[in-house]
Amino acid sequence: NAGVTQTPKFRILKIGQSMTLQCTQDMNHNYMYWYRQDPGMGLKLIYYSVGAGITDKGEVPNGYNVSRSTTEDFPLRLELAAPSQTSVYFCASRPRRGSYGYTFGSGTRLTVV
Amino acid sequence: AQTVTQSQPEMSVQEAETVTLSCTYDTSESNYYLFWYKQPPSRQMILVIRQEAYKQQNATENRFSVNFQKAAKSFSLKISDSQLGDTAMYFCAFMKPDDFGNEKLTFGTGTRLTIIP
Repeated sequence: NAGVTQTPKFRILKIGQSMTLQCTQDMNHNYMYWYRQDPGMGLKLIYYSVGAGITDKGEVPNGYNVSRSTTEDFPLRLELAAPSQTSVYFCASRPRRGSYGYTFGSGTRLTVV
Repeated sequence: AQTVTQSQPEMSVQEAETVTLSCTYDTSESNYYLFWYKQPPSRQMILVIRQEAYKQQNATENRFSVNFQKAAKSFSLKISDSQLGDTAMYFCAFMKPDDFGNEKLTFGTGTRLTIIP
């Protein structure tokens, strides 16, 4: 059981470039989340999804887009990367309503230069 | 909006000693959940312990226990018999589920704990 898998683990982008952070889970979890963690800070919610085809904004959605075409995958798209998006990005999942155990991926460290 | 405050950016303690990490939160809700997560250098987020606000009894998981003071909105983590493997960032987090099951974690800024051999 792989859990939540994030790729890539590290990436350097130039200002203005775009990329997609991949997140996949094999636990058949309905709920999925994207967080970012800035240096010395806690995690902040970017986007979340309560099931395939349903997504919603979190606390810091600007500059990002998501899609949820399948239960397993929840990619995060960065358009026109900016230095302010330098961060560690975490994907997480949770089985269903009423379950409180989040499973986190191991994160993607993104640097925008 | 809920806020979570961890006032100790860094702490260190000798191996085998006991250490307490502080966390306070601000909410007007009565039904919610509190968590402590551990983040070792590997970056993996690991759930340490969970507390339901409606339970008066403090949660305990082996060497980890909490002191939950609902009226004071305080949720501290006590680590007994600390071990080198406890070295990590520790995050306090708050969650309240809504009627649609949309539950979002709000995190504090973390406490970096170092266990000294």
